[in-house]
Amino acid sequence: DTGVSQDPRHKITKRGQNVTFRCDPISEHNRLYWYRQTLGQGPEFLTYFQNEAQLEKSRLLSDRFSAERPKGSFSTLEIQRTEQGDSAMYLCASIQPGQNNVLTFGAGSRLTVL
Amino acid sequence: SQQGEEDPQALSIQEGENATMNCSYKTSINNLQWYRQNSGRGLVHLILIRSNEREKHSGRLRVTLDTSKKSSSLLITASRAADTASYFCATDNTGFQKLVFGTGTRLLVSP
Repeated sequence: DTGVSQDPRHKITKRGQNVTFRCDPISEHNRLYWYRQTLGQGPEFLTYFQNEAQLEKSRLLSDRFSAERPKGSFSTLEIQRTEQGDSAMYLCASIQPGQNNVLTFGAGSRLTVL
Repeated sequence: SQQGEEDPQALSIQEGENATMNCSYKTSINNLQWYRQNSGRGLVHLILIRSNEREKHSGRLRVTLDTSKKSSSLLITASRAADTASYFCATDNTGFQKLVFGTGTRLLVSP
């Protein structure tokens, strides 16, 4: 396993459309995180999973956003009725708790909403 | 909202010079981490310092932490063009790696 994989790397969509991003964490990592990063800013926490359980959601995650990790392996982040303000880089990270408390990040999925 | 503020926002130096970036944060922490991000890419972990540590080294990196001032600094010695990137500090005050990132310092190292 070479790391955390995210797909697609770049998505361009029109306002009002739905988009879905996928994250494949490192296989033995049971905790998975989603962060959002807008241009010129640091990443902001959105949500995280322990296995298949979603343990916490940021208030940044409006009701248009939904994240799942159905079998405790890969995760999806769906944004419904996209708005221009959703344009950002969506970063996924994973960790095996106890291993130095260090997150491994994927390369990110960049969303552009026209 | 982001907790950390980094200073300077941008830094331009020549190869071989040292680069120092500072980070301030607002609440008590379990640990503070520094990450590097090349343009348009994901973040790469550099170093972690725990709240009971004051200084840590890793290769050309030196990190200090002053919990009384709620601040940290990252020193990169003998910089290289390949060090050109954005650098972010991130604090963890929950123990669950729900990191709060700073605004970042953009470092440009010219050959």
